Amino acid sequence: AQSVTQPDIHITVSEGASLELRCNYSYGATPYLFWYVQSPGQGLQLLLKYFSGDTLVQGIKGFEAEFKRSQSSFNLRKPSVHWSDAAEYFCAVGASGTYKYIFGTGTRLKVLA
Amino acid sequence: EAGVVQSPRYKIIEKKQPVAFWCNPISGHNTLYWYRQNLGQGPELLIRYENEEAVDDSQLPKDRFSAERLKGVDSTLKIQPAELGDSAVYLCASSPHLSGGYNEQFFGPGTRLTVL
Repeated sequence: AQSVTQPDIHITVSEGASLELRCNYSYGATPYLFWYVQSPGQGLQLLLKYFSGDTLVQGIKGFEAEFKRSQSSFNLRKPSVHWSDAAEYFCAVGASGTYKYIFGTGTRLKVLA
Repeated sequence: EAGVVQSPRYKIIEKKQPVAFWCNPISGHNTLYWYRQNLGQGPELLIRYENEEAVDDSQLPKDRFSAERLKGVDSTLKIQPAELGDSAVYLCASSPHLSGGYNEQFFGPGTRLTVL
């Protein structure tokens, strides 16, 4: 069965510092992988997605993620965090050709001024 | 292009009362999803529609939850009667018809339900 693990419930970084949010998945084949961001009181906004091809994926707002098959990981990174990045981040895996997403439990990011 | 629209944004009710949520997906999106997001958790799928057909409602608590998408466009999710444990954010999402496995979902802002 598919599953997604986000091991960090909370992360705090200083503004301008680099960021890495971890995501590990379990899936028998090559999955579709997504990172979403959710600001307080808002729905989920897609940051980036991986379907195939280049394993380094660029997204919106300066985010990128790298798919590492050997580690079953899809970690999200940003070189310099802005205060407006404070939000909750969700990793999700979708099975190829299906509708189903499995979400992780999320990582709440706090940014210190 | 307008996004997924949901209403109301917030709802507070007493337990045992009924409640309904409405969703209008992105124009042209055949697939519509309802998710429930409990506090501190990721969204969990309740039901998926392909046009007007509910193709997966295996996670929907059918004793108290119901949903409809009569004309294959907008949808309503209902709870009757509500219980304290139903307090959560109810998210609606839509996606275009699956093609080659491409299945990006677009989410609405959600309805935050509080049951007292």
